[in-house]
Amino acid sequence: DVKVTQSSRYLVKRTGEKVFLECVQDMDHENMFWYRQDPGLGLRLIYFSYDVKMKEKGDIPEGYSVSREKKERFSLILESASTNQTSMYLCASSLVGPLSIEQFFGPGTRLTVL
Amino acid sequence: AQSVTQLGSHVSVSEGALVLLRCNYSSSVPPYLFWYVQYPNQGLQLLLKYTSAATLVKGINGFEAEFKKSETSFHLTKPSAHMSDAAEYFCAVTPAGGSQGNLIFGKGTKLSVKP
Repeated sequence: DVKVTQSSRYLVKRTGEKVFLECVQDMDHENMFWYRQDPGLGLRLIYFSYDVKMKEKGDIPEGYSVSREKKERFSLILESASTNQTSMYLCASSLVGPLSIEQFFGPGTRLTVL
Repeated sequence: AQSVTQLGSHVSVSEGALVLLRCNYSSSVPPYLFWYVQYPNQGLQLLLKYTSAATLVKGINGFEAEFKKSETSFHLTKPSAHMSDAAEYFCAVTPAGGSQGNLIFGKGTKLSVKP
């Protein structure tokens, strides 16, 4: 089974802190994604990566950065956390190619910024 | 640009009743379409996907969806709701043949099942 794991299920941070959210997948997928999920807004893409050291901005990249030093690991970084970044963060991965576009999701990290 | 519209942010049905969750898409090229389910405090799980083969797609847990190009719709149905179906459901689209794998998600429909 494909497994996508996220480092924390629940996280509480203070305004201004630097926050790292880690995601690891064990299926050798090329693509990895970070979304945030808010009630009534669905899933919004923050960043994605097609390969190691490659990254592309999604729809809402402001206030976030990412790192992909190894193929299996994709990190989301909040440089200076703010209260409006309180949300559920979901990581996903997929293969490359037109027939392999199903995304596999991790369990999510619920981040609260106080 | 592609987009997905899910009609109804909340749908409530009685146990044993038909489940119908609506999804309309806009895409300038033939799309791939997906339904995902999210149970409370969990990530998203794929229910089913349409990738230009049969227009009626069967998924897990008794769900199915029909691709109707003329209506640009991909509605999700289940003949008889079960209490365990209570969850949030997301429709998603991506262009067929696209290798980047980006999905555009709808805003979700929360399904409640009454005993």
